[in-house]
Amino acid sequence: GQQVMQIPQYQHVQEGEDFTTYCNSSTTLSNIQWYKQRPGGHPVFLIQLVKSGEVKKQKRLTFQFGEAKKNSSLHITATQTTDVGTYFCAGEIPGANSKLTFGKGITLSVRP
Amino acid sequence: NAGVMQNPRHLVRRRGQEARLRCSPMKGHSHVYWYRQLPEEGLKFMVYLQKENIIDESGMPKERFSAEFPKEGPSILRIQQVVRGDSAAYFCASSNLAGGYEQYFGPGTRLTVT
Repeated sequence: GQQVMQIPQYQHVQEGEDFTTYCNSSTTLSNIQWYKQRPGGHPVFLIQLVKSGEVKKQKRLTFQFGEAKKNSSLHITATQTTDVGTYFCAGEIPGANSKLTFGKGITLSVRP
Repeated sequence: NAGVMQNPRHLVRRRGQEARLRCSPMKGHSHVYWYRQLPEEGLKFMVYLQKENIIDESGMPKERFSAEFPKEGPSILRIQQVVRGDSAAYFCASSNLAGGYEQYFGPGTRLTVT
């Protein structure tokens, strides 16, 4: 069954607002990755987190890996219309042949 | 450096026909992954291959679906006797190492079964 959860599936924000989404795994992960998919496009790699408690920043995006390596968060500061898309987290489960298990994603819409 | 290439980009098949989807990984990448995506769904893992080897096919239906990644040429995902439920976007991704490395996705093949 689904082992990497992303809830909710949709979120709508006003341009300029902050946005945070979470990813939860039922098992400890070796690492977690985040991808972004624009409407009609393909997933594009954003970041990978490996260490417990790790925090990485990319301009207005902040990614965090939980201490227990079972959850992660993505925070976007002052959203822009270019942030529109679906954000997927993907976890590598130890012993699972190096494959990634993707969450269902959260689709972000930004009102200008 | 060309990215991951997939063809065709769009494929229409009638029920019962065969669909062949091709994926050329990024240059230097020897690991290929196939995913299926239904509208408003996440990416569902199907199969992981290295050159001439299937490493993990746990996400691929046992009947009608097969995949290969020959020594020369692209990786092929083959769906025999397609049914309407096979309609989806099929993405392939490649990486240059196994385990914990970013995957580069191709543009996908949108399969429609009529």
